[in-house]
Amino acid sequence: EIVLTQSPGTLSLSPGERATLSCRASQSVTSNFLAWFQQKPGQAPRLVIYGASTRATGIPDRFSGSGSGTDFTLTISRLESEDFAVYYCQQYGPSPKTFGQGTKVEIK
Amino acid sequence: EVHLVESGGGLVKPGGSLRLSCAASKLNFSSYSMNWVRQAPGKGLEWVSTITTSGNDKYYADSVKGRFTTSRDNAKNSLYLQMNSLRVEDTAVYYCAAAPIATDAFHFWGQGTMVTVSS
Repeated sequence: EIVLTQSPGTLSLSPGERATLSCRASQSVTSNFLAWFQQKPGQAPRLVIYGASTRATGIPDRFSGSGSGTDFTLTISRLESEDFAVYYCQQYGPSPKTFGQGTKVEIK
Repeated sequence: EVHLVESGGGLVKPGGSLRLSCAASKLNFSSYSMNWVRQAPGKGLEWVSTITTSGNDKYYADSVKGRFTTSRDNAKNSLYLQMNSLRVEDTAVYYCAAAPIATDAFHFWGQGTMVTVSS
């Protein structure tokens, strides 16, 4: 089973600042099958990035994903009010399709 | 717009059973592998199960293996999760999520249904 470790646990930033979220895998992720999800309170997760770097439909270009192998990053170039949420990474290669524990991006 | 709607959640006693359903619309259902993901109150996301497009292959998290069974009916655009021998730790919101065969990523999610296991 691939274990995903996200850091930091909480990121306190102001609108307009840059957010950098990390996801580290315990072993190499197959074919870069790494996704990022955004979740707001009381809502279902929303796909942000898949294939490590491809933005999902409707996701603004201030969101970008990078990385390969075991180290991945989600960057939000300039935070807007609607971006404050919890972000999860997930590897969706061979099962089990594990999730990281989440990073909360909160308003400073 | 793709729509996934879960139903069947509720309160059940430990050891009991429940069957969840997920109805899909505006989706070429048979071209998507389907997944169940759960989230315990105040906790993170946990993958539960995946079923391939044909339904021939099914995968389960160790925490539910032998107790939960996933199935699908492509003619009815529906996904199911039969949950037996429920435990207190199965208490969670259960989401269904659709992954197109082109990408395998979980592009579409339902709003979730709450399952509470308590005596």
